[in-house]
Formats: sequence, C-alpha cells, structure tokens
Amino acid sequence: DTEVTQTPKHLVMGMTNKKSLKCEQHMGHRAMYWYKQKAKKPPELMFVYSYEKLSINESVPSRFSPECPNSSLLNLHLHALQPEDSALYLCASSQERKETQYFGPGTRLLVL
Amino acid sequence: GDSVTQMEGPVTLSEEAFLTINCTYTATGYPSLFWYVQYPGEGLQLLLKATKADDKGSNKGFEATYRKETTSFHLEKGSVQVSDSAVYFCALSDPGGFKTIFGAGTRLFVKA
Repeated sequence: DTEVTQTPKHLVMGMTNKKSLKCEQHMGHRAMYWYKQKAKKPPELMFVYSYEKLSINESVPSRFSPECPNSSLLNLHLHALQPEDSALYLCASSQERKETQYFGPGTRLLVL
Repeated sequence: GDSVTQMEGPVTLSEEAFLTINCTYTATGYPSLFWYVQYPGEGLQLLLKATKADDKGSNKGFEATYRKETTSFHLEKGSVQVSDSAVYFCALSDPGGFKTIFGAGTRLFVKA
C-alpha cells in the first residue's frame, strides 16, 4: 500500500465554523506533513511531524491546529478561517524527513 | 538559503515533440533532487529522483541527471504525449532533512 488518503475531498465552510481535515497512511512512514497550495503556485510547507511530534511549524496562524494521534494519522483542525485560507491542502508522508515524500490527493477548501 | 529555479511556463508542444524543462538549484551541502508531477485536480506524484552527483533518475520515459558542476537537474523526455499535460515541479530536500523546497512549477500543454 503506497497510498496517502485524505478526507474530505472538498470542504466549504463559513468563517465561524470548526472543521477538521484528515490524512492517513499505512506505509509505516514516521514523518508526515501538511502543505497549503494556492492556484498556480507550488506547495507551501505548514507543519512537519516526526515520530508523532511536531518538529516544524512554519509560522502558521493559530487558526490552523495540527494533531498527530498516532503514526498513521494526521489531522488539521480549522477554526475561524479567513477567505484567503481557501486553497488545496495536501498531506504527505515519508520514511524519514529527508526521504521521498508521498502526497495525498488533497482537500480543496473554500472559506466563505 | 536553499532555492530552486525553474523555467517559466507554460510550455506548449505537439505530440511526439522533445521536452526539456530547465531546473537549477542553490544549496549548501549535497541535497537530494526530485521532479514531481501534478495532474489537474490531483496531488503531487513523484516522477523521479536523484540522490547524488551524476545520478540519473528515470521513469515513464522522463529522465534527469544530477549535475553538481552546473547545479542543474533538467527534465527531458524524447517524445511527449497528450497525457503528459500537467504541472511539473522541481524540488530539493535540504541536507539537514528538514524541508523539501519546490520550484514555482512549469505547466506543460501537449497538443494532439
């Protein structure tokens, strides 16, 4: 199984809503990542978890809150988002931090 | 800091044409180099990689050689197909292993 899955595929939320994005991998990878990708731009790194501990937070606003409940799961909790947060949110995983990253299909988020 | 520079697109080719997408990098140390491809509406997929100087990565008819003397990792394919239409990202994994740094992406259109 070389797949990273993400749910939901699409999400529309208001600025006062609370929602969560989910990511799962069963490749035994110990590093997991959240990226944000705006249209026609490369992915921007948000967070890195290594061995279930947060190792990188790229100065992301606190309205984004990551969580790694176990080595296979990664969540991104969303609260009080702004319309400019609308983007494709990509999850990735790798064996170790410097190894090849495997990406999920992404969640396309629209904030109204 | 480390960076990746790709040729600007879009690149438009006819089917069976030769493809080159230029990529150069700036890094301290010895990064691993990658090409990722993103088809419309999807996440990123690893296309090929090279981990040390003079390595050649290849996959699905695409290839790229890690050139340390010119700090380049140009992507080539001898005969493109319509199905190759996508956005191609050159990337490096910094030697410290903390981040993958992406180029801006090059959009390829292949006409039948």
